[in-house]
Amino acid sequence: SAVISQKPSRDICQRGTSLTIQCQVDSQVTMMFWYRQQPGQSLTLIATANQGSEATYESGFVIDKFPISRPNLTFSTLTVSNMSPEDSSIYLCSVGTGSGELFFGEGSRLTVL
Amino acid sequence: GENVEQHPSTLSVQEGDSAVIKCTYSDSASNYFPWYKQELGKRPQLIIDIRSNVGEKKDQRIAVTLNKTAKHFSLHITETQPEDSAVYFCAAYSGGYQKVTFGTGTKLQVIP
Repeated sequence: SAVISQKPSRDICQRGTSLTIQCQVDSQVTMMFWYRQQPGQSLTLIATANQGSEATYESGFVIDKFPISRPNLTFSTLTVSNMSPEDSSIYLCSVGTGSGELFFGEGSRLTVL
Repeated sequence: GENVEQHPSTLSVQEGDSAVIKCTYSDSASNYFPWYKQELGKRPQLIIDIRSNVGEKKDQRIAVTLNKTAKHFSLHITETQPEDSAVYFCAAYSGGYQKVTFGTGTKLQVIP
């Protein structure tokens, strides 16, 4: 399976600011996804990061709040914009095989004060 | 879209006993059902999976069963050990949507 590196691993941010999370994969992958895991909760898909085109967002998530970039087949970023305490979560980058298997990065734990 | 329900939300067993976690799904087009284990502070890790053309799959102490007709699948852990303590997530994948939907999670505690 691919090695997925995320950074930052954790951060504490002030309300109203933005944070960009980076995801680097050690091999080219077609499918990359961003998930959110709120404290004690399950994993919720934010969006599919599409290489060379706009990300595909799930219901309840919008580009203005969670802009995503995917400049190539090994790298993606997720920005959490204009943060509020409700955005405090773990954000997980994942890559897919195209037949359902998902592999996750270590996650970025975000705390918004 | 797909909806995956998972039960129980918490499960405590004595070391050496068996643990069973059950999930149901709604989309008959889902054809792949993975299970993830997430230890505290760590990423979810795929531990076993099953595809819709198979009814049961086993890997050492863990097994998964699938009933397509009833749209439910289960994780079975035998001879539980303290290191099995974690949160377990079931999931369903639909090739049509190319999306994985997760269950709500089960916190398993194995008591030594």
